[in-house]
Amino acid sequence: DAGITQSPRYKITETGRQVTLMCHQTWSHSYMFWYRQDLGHGLRLIYYSAAADITDKGEVPDGYVVSRSKTENFPLTLESATRSQTSVYFCASTGLAGANEQYFGPGTRLTVT
Amino acid sequence: AQSVSQHNHHVILSEAASLELGCNYSYGGTVNLFWYVQYPGQHLQLLLKYFSGDPLVKGIKGFEAEFIKSKFSFNLRKPSVQWSDTAEYFCAVNGGKLIFGQGTELSVKP
Repeated sequence: DAGITQSPRYKITETGRQVTLMCHQTWSHSYMFWYRQDLGHGLRLIYYSAAADITDKGEVPDGYVVSRSKTENFPLTLESATRSQTSVYFCASTGLAGANEQYFGPGTRLTVT
Repeated sequence: AQSVSQHNHHVILSEAASLELGCNYSYGGTVNLFWYVQYPGQHLQLLLKYFSGDPLVKGIKGFEAEFIKSKFSFNLRKPSVQWSDTAEYFCAVNGGKLIFGQGTELSVKP
């Protein structure tokens, strides 16, 4: 029972490069989320998706793109990475947006040089 | 706008000390409340949650939290902490979207 997985776990990339972070869940949860975790800011929502082909912006969406062609996958793409996007990225999922808790993946530590 | 505030950024305790971490939120409607824990190098895990009913909720590992509606608070407590409780603790409020507090780092000295 894999639950929710993220890949890669660690990534170093250069400024200006495109990078995609993958998220996969095996629960058939409707909702999926991407957060970034930075010191002093806690977790901030980047994008979320209520179902396949439905996505919406969170608190800090600029510089990121998401897609949700299949229920189980929710990739996050940094179109042109910047140093300010150095962070730990967490994917999460839940069956219901509000009523249930979210289940988090192990995170991806991204460094942009 | 919905917001969550955790009062303490870093708390240092000795083993067996009692713990209380403050969490206040601002939102006018009905909310669901959560405390998550993140052990070093790991992902977030749910400690406990409050949806309705008894405002005193018990979670895993001896943690509990009390929802005080009049104070918009959801403080986390544990009577006697252990070294293994060293972690970062996040309060989160869902009034439509899940919003996290800034987190409180707890260090427990053996």
